Amino acid sequence: DAKTTQPTSMDCAEGRAANLPCNHSTISGNEYVYWYRQIHSQGPQYIIHGLKNNETNEMASLIITEDRKSSTLILPHATLRDTAVYYCIVRLLQGGSEKLVFGKGTKLTVNP
Amino acid sequence: DTGVSQNPRHKITKRGQNVTFRCDPISEHNRLYWYRQTLGQGPEFLTYFQNEAQLEKSRLLSDRFSAERPKGSFSTLEIQRTEQGDSAMYLCASSLGMLNTEAFFGQGTRLTVV
Repeated sequence: DAKTTQPTSMDCAEGRAANLPCNHSTISGNEYVYWYRQIHSQGPQYIIHGLKNNETNEMASLIITEDRKSSTLILPHATLRDTAVYYCIVRLLQGGSEKLVFGKGTKLTVNP
Repeated sequence: DTGVSQNPRHKITKRGQNVTFRCDPISEHNRLYWYRQTLGQGPEFLTYFQNEAQLEKSRLLSDRFSAERPKGSFSTLEIQRTEQGDSAMYLCASSLGMLNTEAFFGQGTRLTVV
């Protein structure tokens, strides 16, 4: 089972920041938090990942709480093309496969 | 480098027929994953290869499913005696196989069993 909890859906106005929360209260010390998104009828797309520190790249920012039990993905200026399902994933390291275990994610709708 | 390529993109088959899908990973990636996704759900892990070795299989991968990666490059996923419950999107992903590297996904093959 997925080790994360996310809201089922969220809405955001175009041009505003989208803040997507994720709870991962059972995360262990050597597990990373990954975010992927999936636009309709496409494969998942990597966004960002982090361990302890906040991270930023050209797509988004990732804020991880000090106790690492939750995180927030921030899309600073959401566009209509950011409408997608966003998955928060705790990366499992079992026997070296490092497989991604997806939950149902958050359906983000960016409105004009 | 054109990313992970999957063929065909769509496949419609009659129940009981066999189908085979192909995945071409990013060239230098030694890890390859297969996932299955049904409507409204996140992708579910099926199996994983490190080079040509199949190192992990999910319980979802019944005896009718077989995956190969004969030369450590492309991979095939075959489903024998398809059932309507096999209708899903089949996704392939690849990664460098180093700790903490992201996996890149293909566009998927959508299977419809009628």
